[in-house]
Amino acid sequence: QVQLVESGGGVVQPGESLRLSCAASGFTFSHYGMNWVRQAPGKGLEWVAFIYYDGSTKYYIESVKGRFSISRDNSKNTLYLEMNSLGIDDTAVYYCAKQGYRPVDYLDSWGQGTLVTVSS
Amino acid sequence: EVVMTQSPVTLSVFPGEEATVSCRASQSISNNLAWFQQKPGQAPRLLLYDASTRATGTPARFSGSGSGTEFILTISSLQSEDCAVYYCQQYDKWPLHFGQGTKLEIK
Repeated sequence: QVQLVESGGGVVQPGESLRLSCAASGFTFSHYGMNWVRQAPGKGLEWVAFIYYDGSTKYYIESVKGRFSISRDNSKNTLYLEMNSLGIDDTAVYYCAKQGYRPVDYLDSWGQGTLVTVSS
Repeated sequence: EVVMTQSPVTLSVFPGEEATVSCRASQSISNNLAWFQQKPGQAPRLLLYDASTRATGTPARFSGSGSGTEFILTISSLQSEDCAVYYCQQYDKWPLHFGQGTKLEIK
């Protein structure tokens, strides 16, 4: 079965950086687009970033463009999110999510999430 | 950008009754709509995709309808385990966008 395990979350100060990882198993990772979705405490879901199955195409929500970078290593079945210049508003649980095989598709599997707290 | 708007924000229903959640898209998204269920402390779980297709493991009491800009999630014969927050999400265009969520409470 599909398993997605996020790691790398923690407490950082404003302006600092953090790198999240998502280890994938149970499916052919290199065949699927992957996403990061976040959820601020007590708030709703917000899509953050997408990367195509081969890494050739990436999309970001406007608020993280230029600060966050999504990448993947298909040889390690791992998805990454490099987050720089973190601000208070970036505090959230970050989920990685697998999508279906279409270029834009529904998110069919989610990890359990990793908490990022930005605080001075 | 396609913006999704859900209603109501909170819904309180007796066990055994029917619950209905609405989702509206700011422009046509065909049937490229998914519904998710999220229970406290858990990750979201896909319930329905393509507006009306049940994901693996979704009970038959969950159904979806609509296309274009208007969509409905119906939960018939409500059970206590259905207490959760429900989100719609469009995947017709980037950026992906979720509705703000509907909290379903069991009376």
